[in-house]
Amino acid sequence: DVKVTQSSRYLVKRTGEKVFLECVQDMDHENMFWYRQDPGLGLRLIYFSYDVKMKEKGDIPEGYSVSREKKERFSLILESASTNQTSMYLCASSTPGLAGGRNTGELFFGEGSRLTVL
Amino acid sequence: KNEVEQSPQNLTAQEGEFITINCSYSVGISALHWLQQHPGGGIVSLFMLSSGKKKHGRLIATINIQEKHSSLHITASHPRDSAVYICAPTGNQFYFGTGTSLTVIP
Repeated sequence: DVKVTQSSRYLVKRTGEKVFLECVQDMDHENMFWYRQDPGLGLRLIYFSYDVKMKEKGDIPEGYSVSREKKERFSLILESASTNQTSMYLCASSTPGLAGGRNTGELFFGEGSRLTVL
Repeated sequence: KNEVEQSPQNLTAQEGEFITINCSYSVGISALHWLQQHPGGGIVSLFMLSSGKKKHGRLIATINIQEKHSSLHITASHPRDSAVYICAPTGNQFYFGTGTSLTVIP
């Protein structure tokens, strides 16, 4: 079974702290994603990566950065956490899409990391 | 912009009822996922389909690519089906509906 593992289920941080959210997948997927999920807004894409050292901005990248030094690991970084970044963060990986290339295929999610910024 | 519309947003059903959740989208896609999220839990993919119908146990998903519409049906609903169901059309990226919150009462 594909497994996507997020390092922390619950975190509490203070405003201004640097926050690292780690995600590891064990199925050699090229595509990895970071989303945040907020009530009434659904899932919103922060950043995604199609290969090692490659990253592309999603819909809401402001205040976030990412790192993909190894294929299996995709990290989300909050350089200076703010209260409006309190949210559920979900990492996902996917197989290549039906049309190949960058199109997205079957999607697998981690359990989520609930971050509270005080 | 709102590329994906799900209905209803909230649904309460008695155990054993037949349930339908609808999804309409405006983007061009190659496939569509139906996802399930239990309270406090992660998200799992129930189906990925690009045409016609798929069935897993009591769950059935259909899609009409031309009409840009998909439905998720649950037959003989059970309290353990209580969850949020999310429609995710897929093209060059994933799009997500805001989800349908289902509660099945014993």
